[in-house]
Amino acid sequence: DIQMTQSPSSLSASVGDRVTITCQASQDISNYLNWYQQKPGKAPKLLIYDASNLETGVPSRFSGSGSGTDFTFTISSLQPEDIATYYCQQYDNLPTFGGGTKVEIK
Amino acid sequence: QVQLVQSGAEVKKPGASVKVSCKASGYTFTSYYMHWVRQAPGQGLEWMGIINPSGGSTSYAQKFQGRVTMTRDTSTSTVYMELSSLRSEDTAVYYCARAGQWLVIYNYWGQGTLVTVSS
Repeated sequence: DIQMTQSPSSLSASVGDRVTITCQASQDISNYLNWYQQKPGKAPKLLIYDASNLETGVPSRFSGSGSGTDFTFTISSLQPEDIATYYCQQYDNLPTFGGGTKVEIK
Repeated sequence: QVQLVQSGAEVKKPGASVKVSCKASGYTFTSYYMHWVRQAPGQGLEWMGIINPSGGSTSYAQKFQGRVTMTRDTSTSTVYMELSSLRSEDTAVYYCARAGQWLVIYNYWGQGTLVTVSS
């Protein structure tokens, strides 16, 4: 299985801050990488697909980049409603997820 | 609109089986594959397997081989996930999620079903 290493596991930032999360694949996955947001008690929500494509209806402060093994997810200006856990997921092979990043407000 | 509605929470004893349902609506049931993903309390997401609602073919994560069975009923647009020989480590929220066979982008999820395994 392809391992996805996500970091950091948690972060605390102020409203308006730029937040960056990274995800590293154990082998080349091209751009087969998605990002999800999960709030407590809810199912994950797709934000970014194929590394850099914004899902319809998702605010433009969310973005993604990368290819191969190294990927980045960015919130350009953190908002209170962005408090959640974020996961990356690859699908070059059988789907696997990163360990998650819990984002909190400082 | 696309909806995936799952069955309610379950409490099972170790060694028992559980069968979770996921009823799809708002799209052509046989046009998309259905995946099952689980999440243990406070933990991350774990892919369990996939079923093709059209022909019923399945593929399971190696970890669950021999314990999981995914089926579908096209007459009710419902997929099922049955997990047997339950142990405490199977306590988790189980999600169904719609995607393609190879284009695995989960843009629709069920609400989740909590399965608690406890003696």
